[in-house]
Amino acid sequence: DTGVSQDPRHKITKRGQNVTFRCDPISEHNRLYWYRQTLGQGPEFLTYFQNEAQLEKSRLLSDRFSAERPKGSFSTLEIQRTEQGDSAMYLCASSFGDGGTGELFFGEGSRLTVL
Amino acid sequence: AQSVAQPEDQVNVAEGNPLTVKCTYSVSGNPYLFWYVQYPNRGLQFLLKYITGDNLVKGSYGFEAEFNKSQTSFHLKKPSALVSDSALYFCAENQFYFGTGTSLTVIP
Repeated sequence: DTGVSQDPRHKITKRGQNVTFRCDPISEHNRLYWYRQTLGQGPEFLTYFQNEAQLEKSRLLSDRFSAERPKGSFSTLEIQRTEQGDSAMYLCASSFGDGGTGELFFGEGSRLTVL
Repeated sequence: AQSVAQPEDQVNVAEGNPLTVKCTYSVSGNPYLFWYVQYPNRGLQFLLKYITGDNLVKGSYGFEAEFNKSQTSFHLKKPSALVSDSALYFCAENQFYFGTGTSLTVIP
């Protein structure tokens, strides 16, 4: 199965530490998205890439958050100086095509707990 | 601002009965609308989408949804519910706006 994979699946860290999540999309997909999901809420859009270009960032994405997709393949999401409010599930998804008509294929998420 | 609303946090239905999970959207023009399902401890899975054309779209696992422009709705439906349909359902407008989800429980 070559679906979307995310690593690590779980991360526990202390407040103030930096964390990095990795996402490997489906290989032929040109778009890659990051979301945050908390209990009882739907996924909240953070940012997305088309190939290696980061095309849009949500206002939710503070300057402590940075995402890259250096060669248009895998992506990383880094959170610097973590805060307890960053505790959430971070979801990655990929899709194929332009214009926003392609359905999303999600990974199983990376759960972050900030102590 | 664009948004998607799922007015029901929880829907319970008896096995074999028809089910409806409601969704309304706020974007003007021609929206791209999606339904996703999330089973416990699993990632979200695509069910169906409306991009253009026929207002009734059919998707995976026997689900369908009807796009209603006058009511700005995109309700998810299934004629006969299965216990295995119990899951969390999310409506989305394009790739950016998700509803808060509706937990569906199908009672045997």
